[in-house]
Amino acid sequence: SQQGEEDPQALSIQEGENATMNCSYKTSINNLQWYRQNSGRGLVHLILIRSNEREKHSGRLRVTLDTSKKSSSLLITASRAADTASYFCATDVLDSSYKLIFGSGTRLLVRP
Amino acid sequence: ETGVTQSPTHLIKTRGQQVTLRCSSQSGHNTVSWYQQALGQGPQFIFQYYREEENGRGNFPPRFSGLQFPNYSSELNVNALELDDSALYLCATRQDLQETQYFGPGTRLLVL
Repeated sequence: SQQGEEDPQALSIQEGENATMNCSYKTSINNLQWYRQNSGRGLVHLILIRSNEREKHSGRLRVTLDTSKKSSSLLITASRAADTASYFCATDVLDSSYKLIFGSGTRLLVRP
Repeated sequence: ETGVTQSPTHLIKTRGQQVTLRCSSQSGHNTVSWYQQALGQGPQFIFQYYREEENGRGNFPPRFSGLQFPNYSSELNVNALELDDSALYLCATRQDLQETQYFGPGTRLLVL
């Protein structure tokens, strides 16, 4: 079963705009990770935020984590057409197994 | 590029057949996990191998089995294929105790 729910399921924006995706999860976690997937290919790791962190930046990406609400958000600033992809959050649950539990993803379309 | 390779890239089988998928990891990555991703869904954890032993399993039946070899490459075997086994199969590797997993490009399996 999926741990996370992502919102929205699909997002269409103009190049240059910001894109925000949200993720909610159910159980306690070690960390939460965001991945990108182009056209049903392999997953590319974007950013990892640990349970004791509240915000993290990497280039045009900003991730927040609210463990009290069991939610995270991914912000992509100044989007480009090349950012068009599916984005998944994945939680590394607190059972020392290191398995990732993925959400159902947000499909982002950036129009040129 | 993550340095993780999978073969074959595509495969077509018929119901009841058996299939073997392969994954080669980056040097030093002694842990490998396999995921199944149905169309339009997030990946689901199948199982994980660490130093040739299975040390975690998701909600998949025993006809899904695996192997990890001394060089840390891995196989996923699926017996008695069913139509619902049609999916993208992803392997992910990492170093022991590291949180980031590196995904291969996947094998797309179609069961007719």
